[in-house]
Amino acid sequence: GQNIDQPTEMTATEGAIVQINCTYQTSGFNGLFWYQQHAGEAPTFLSYNVLDGLEEKGRFSSFLSRSKGYSYLLLKELQMKDSASYLCAVRDYSGAGSYQLTFGKGTKLSVIP
Amino acid sequence: NAGVTQTPKFRVLKTGQSMTLLCAQDMNHEYMYWYRQDPGMGLRLIHYSVGEGTTAKGEVPDGYNVSRLKKQNFLLGLESAAPSQTSVYFCASSEGQHSGNTIYFGEGSWLTVV
Repeated sequence: GQNIDQPTEMTATEGAIVQINCTYQTSGFNGLFWYQQHAGEAPTFLSYNVLDGLEEKGRFSSFLSRSKGYSYLLLKELQMKDSASYLCAVRDYSGAGSYQLTFGKGTKLSVIP
Repeated sequence: NAGVTQTPKFRVLKTGQSMTLLCAQDMNHEYMYWYRQDPGMGLRLIHYSVGEGTTAKGEVPDGYNVSRLKKQNFLLGLESAAPSQTSVYFCASSEGQHSGNTIYFGEGSWLTVV
């Protein structure tokens, strides 16, 4: 298993940039995912990192440092529709050829005008 | 493609009643999962399956049973519902468990046990 920590809530202004951090502790790291979840809806996949560095996808970027057990999700040019919870999830090796994906508790982002 | 479909979407149960949540996926995925999501707790894995006819326990399996008789279906059963099982349940599937295999979620099932 692993401990995954991310801030509970954040607020940012429309048009601005926000960074959501995630720290984790795991013994068999096999990738880190970010999901977006709007209230009352299912989580949807945003990004995946398995090697150190930055992955960019339009307005969204995700960074990983395996040595530090640290990732962040960067959202640029914030829009009102970006108000949602952002879930950090870590996959690690759980033995017997099996991997498990464990989710953090999520960061609720509110975008204000 | 419907993706991952869960039924029912909403259900109210009395304590001690039983029910089954149905999950179907049309992506030919090998792996399927059941999660529950509670306020302040995040998504927690109940049971999962790595292929037809197989099941395994996740983080919070007590009070639940599962079956994977067909590759496309994964059933979650509550034999004797308890108020602590009031939650939102998400079914999910993935092609595998290797690096990069994304998990796709169903729309969720809201269960209230009174």
